Amino acid sequence: DTGVSQDPRHKITKRGQNVTFRCDPISEHNRLYWYRQTLGQGPEFLTYFQNEAQLEKSRLLSDRFSAERPKGSFSTLEIQRTEQGDSAMYLCASSLVGGFAEAFFGQGTRLTVV
Amino acid sequence: AQKVTQAQTEISVVEKEDVTLDCVYETRDTTYYLFWYKQPPSGELVFLIRRNSFDEQNEISGRYSWNFQKSTSSFNFTITASQVVDSAVYFCALTEVTSGTYKYIFGTGTRLKVLA
Repeated sequence: DTGVSQDPRHKITKRGQNVTFRCDPISEHNRLYWYRQTLGQGPEFLTYFQNEAQLEKSRLLSDRFSAERPKGSFSTLEIQRTEQGDSAMYLCASSLVGGFAEAFFGQGTRLTVV
Repeated sequence: AQKVTQAQTEISVVEKEDVTLDCVYETRDTTYYLFWYKQPPSGELVFLIRRNSFDEQNEISGRYSWNFQKSTSSFNFTITASQVVDSAVYFCALTEVTSGTYKYIFGTGTRLKVLA
């Protein structure tokens, strides 16, 4: 296990379709985060899990977005009824529990809604 | 409210020049952490350094050095003798402790171009 893995790397979808992304964190990491990054901006926090519990959600996360982390291992982020404004890079990160350990990021899933 | 400002949108230097990337932060917390990440063209954010609010010692790691000054709420990053491989977008980030949230607040990043 060499790092955080995200799948797919790229996704093109038509407006109105549902999409699901997967993140596999570093195996011993209990915390898992989702961020969204648009062109020319820094990553924006969406949500985070500690083990299987979703402990915080950003106001950016509308009702069309849902994230899960069953069994505290991999996580999925689903976007329903996609809109053009959802086009962005979706980044997953993981970290150890305990203080503010640094987060390790995956390479992201680039979503394009046409 | 917490905020991170990276006023330099893009910097271009010639190889071997020194370059400093600025980061100014805002927080009401007395306990917080600051980070620098590098994002090369491949897209993956690479961790560079973490600093907590009680440790104002400057740090040097090879060609990289960081200057943390609480008095000016700044956490600047200097690359000495820059190389083409340093070309990337660099992000400064803040995490507050007291709020109990573990989210990172990122700046908008500084794109560094090192020309051969």
